[in-house]
Amino acid sequence: AQRVTQPEKLLSVFKGAPVELKCNYSYSGSPELFWYVQYSRQRLQLLLRHISRESIKGFTADLNKGETSFHLKKPFAQEEDSAMYYCALAPQGGSEKLVFGKGTKLTVNP
Amino acid sequence: EAQVTQNPRYLITVTGKKLTVTCSQNMNHEYMSWYRQDPGLGLRQIYYSMNVEVTDKGDVPEGYKVSRKEKRNFPLILESPSPNQTSLYFCASNRLAGGSPQYFGPGTRLTVL
Repeated sequence: AQRVTQPEKLLSVFKGAPVELKCNYSYSGSPELFWYVQYSRQRLQLLLRHISRESIKGFTADLNKGETSFHLKKPFAQEEDSAMYYCALAPQGGSEKLVFGKGTKLTVNP
Repeated sequence: EAQVTQNPRYLITVTGKKLTVTCSQNMNHEYMSWYRQDPGLGLRQIYYSMNVEVTDKGDVPEGYKVSRKEKRNFPLILESPSPNQTSLYFCASNRLAGGSPQYFGPGTRLTVL
């Protein structure tokens, strides 16, 4: 069965420091992977997806099939990055349900 | 504007009083789902639907019902709410295609007394 693991419930960094939010997955096929962000009192919104290979708000994520990881990185964290981050997996072809990790709460301190 | 809407946004009710939370999307998405979000537990899927009249249980379906009579609507029904169903509920939709992201509704905060 597919599974997404985010090992850190909480992550705290200082403004300007690099940040990495970890995501590991288990899936027998080739999944589609996403990062979602939820700012305080707002709905979840898509941050980025691995197939587009783009950088959003300075964040990037690389799919490492060998390590089955999809870690989210940003070289210089900003206070406005403080939010809840969820890693999610979509099965190839869209024939099965989506799976979310439990989330990591990122706090960027001034 | 492409969006997922939910109603009501806030609801306080009492144990055993049936309620329905509506969800509607205007993007012609096949896939819709309901999640509950609780502190420390993240998002847990309650039910999902691949298309009209096709629904299936997620990870925490007990105490909930859903129906999908029209493509755009996916109501969540609590026949006899209990206090442990106090939570923040999100509806989401997406196309049934690989790599298609989910679009989330604004959330419904439910309190069961």
